[in-house]
Amino acid sequence: IAGITQAPTSQILAAGRRMTLRCTQDMRHNAMYWYRQDLGLGLRLIHYSNTAGTTGKGEVPDGYSVSRANTDDFPLTLASAVPSQTSVYFCASSDRLNTEAFFGQGTRLTVV
Amino acid sequence: QKEVEQDPGPLSVPEGAIVSLNCTYSNSAFQYFMWYRQYSRKGPELLMYTYSSGNKEDGRFTAQVDKSSKYISLFIRDSQPSDSATYLCAMNRDDKIIFGKGTRLHILP
Repeated sequence: IAGITQAPTSQILAAGRRMTLRCTQDMRHNAMYWYRQDLGLGLRLIHYSNTAGTTGKGEVPDGYSVSRANTDDFPLTLASAVPSQTSVYFCASSDRLNTEAFFGQGTRLTVV
Repeated sequence: QKEVEQDPGPLSVPEGAIVSLNCTYSNSAFQYFMWYRQYSRKGPELLMYTYSSGNKEDGRFTAQVDKSSKYISLFIRDSQPSDSATYLCAMNRDDKIIFGKGTRLHILP
């Protein structure tokens, strides 16, 4: 089934540890995104990529980094996790930047 | 003023009723408009998108856009318990997609 695959589904992480959230899409979409979703705050954009080899900062990029080595993969790295990064993280993709996006099932991350 | 406003609900309606979900927006630069459905502990699922003012229908769902009033709606006919979810509106301009915070909908059997 075509779509977006995120891994892991959930994770408990000690503060200060490094973590990479994985995202793979098989729709050959050019644009990819990482959002975090928090109660009362809605979806907030962390980073995005317009096409392979390019990335950009979203609304809440601090503490996160991304790379886009190829069309399909868009990993999100937390270099040194802090409790405020406890959230549900969604990867999404779209054919063109800022058009209708398709979301993965999310990674539920708890930083303790 | 927030760019996109959406009543968080919860909205509870009996099974079979017509549901109306709404968003208002302040920026006339928005080019097109989307509705997402999100079940608990799942990712948002794209339901409908439209570029223009007027109505777009897909099965039991109708998306309506009124650009002059900066108001969009999603109507659900013959609502089912399986429609119970959070519904998010979204709209784009060139530099970003703005999401509403979602309306929680409960369909009562």
